[in-house]
Amino acid sequence: KAGVTQTPRYLIKTRGQQVTLSCSPISGHRSVSWYQQTPGQGLQFLFEYFSETQRNKGNFPGRFSGRQFSNSRSEMNVSTLELGDSALYLCASSPGDADTQYFGPGTRLTVL
Amino acid sequence: GQNIDQPTEMTATEGAIVQINCTYQTSGFNGLFWYQQHAGEAPTFLSYNVLDGLEEKGRFSSFLSRSKGYSYLLLKELQMKDSASYLCAVIGAGNNRKLIWGLGTSLAVNP
Repeated sequence: KAGVTQTPRYLIKTRGQQVTLSCSPISGHRSVSWYQQTPGQGLQFLFEYFSETQRNKGNFPGRFSGRQFSNSRSEMNVSTLELGDSALYLCASSPGDADTQYFGPGTRLTVL
Repeated sequence: GQNIDQPTEMTATEGAIVQINCTYQTSGFNGLFWYQQHAGEAPTFLSYNVLDGLEEKGRFSSFLSRSKGYSYLLLKELQMKDSASYLCAVIGAGNNRKLIWGLGTSLAVNP
């Protein structure tokens, strides 16, 4: 099976812009979770989608949003980018409930 | 609150054994994961413990004590490629089943 894929791998934006990141889970996986990773904060949970519904949400401002499509692919959007949004954004998929998560390679976002 | 504690950094010598500890306080418990993350790469799954005891998988073993809120990852016959960050994560129970992550332990293996 192909692994989790994320596009784009690298992205450079300026403050105030918005960005959309994409994640394709492993075939058959219905849960997709998104994380932000920075050197000082570790892995911070953004949200989880399961069967097109947001099942869990982390403590991020409303500028961070996501969605999941019927084929389980997911997108996350960040509006009005801030310098502090520079991070590695990781997507992870799992078959369903409380299962092992498999991570994609991540999208490295740099906000200038 | 919910909290996971791991040492920030550890150093060990090639060929040796190292134990990375993880303690947790969470709202319910439905399992504990260990992941390995090399610099610039995504985390990869190492082990999953839901019952007390030791799970052995090659050079890596993971132990869990639910009553103590404690786990450790044991790495034997260390190799240079084991230099990485090791992340402990706990699944809460009930409606709060999302993964709670520790900040990771950065392990440096020296020759």
